[in-house]
Amino acid sequence: GDSVTQMEGPVTLSEEAFLTINCTYTATGYPSLFWYVQYPGEGLQLLLKATKADDKGSNKGFEATYRKETTSFHLEKGSVQVSDSAVYFCALSARRGGSEKLVFGKGTKLTVNP
Amino acid sequence: DTGVSQNPRHKITKRGQNVTFRCDPISEHNRLYWYRQTLGQGPEFLTYFQNEAQLEKSRLLSDRFSAERPKGSFSTLEIQRTEQGDSAMYLCASTGGQGAQPQHFGDGTRLSIL
Repeated sequence: GDSVTQMEGPVTLSEEAFLTINCTYTATGYPSLFWYVQYPGEGLQLLLKATKADDKGSNKGFEATYRKETTSFHLEKGSVQVSDSAVYFCALSARRGGSEKLVFGKGTKLTVNP
Repeated sequence: DTGVSQNPRHKITKRGQNVTFRCDPISEHNRLYWYRQTLGQGPEFLTYFQNEAQLEKSRLLSDRFSAERPKGSFSTLEIQRTEQGDSAMYLCASTGGQGAQPQHFGDGTRLSIL
């Protein structure tokens, strides 16, 4: 079945460091890909998305490119801030059956220190 | 856009009791999803509604679980004869339009089984 694999956390960085969180997927067909973020005490929020190969999603300084050849959707940010501390989830939208349900990775906890 | 609302935020109950959670989606959204999230894991799909019709159920959804969405508005998720393994965060999400639209999540209901 469809699945998402994320790099294991936790990840701890200093402010202004470069961030990469790896995400690879297995899916039938061509899923849409998403990054969701969960700040402490809050619900899941969409961070960015890409719907087809070579699309780049971007938001709040974060970027991810849909790479069909490597089945990857790695999340990057050039300079992280303390306020970026959160849990990040990579997800794909499974198109079979029509529900477009989301299949999530396990999440990567990011802590940014001042 | 008042967001997806879930009630209660936290439910504590004894093993064997029945519990019911409510989700109020964003008003114009016709698609509604329930997910379950356990500690250290990503959310897992439980069930999907399009308007009032329940179109997909996960194998995770045992016969002790039932979900409804009367009139295609709010939804309820009931768990009968709760077990220790039911302890989790139950998330509701909604979306509208066609295809792989981003899902908007509520803050979830945390279920604790004593």
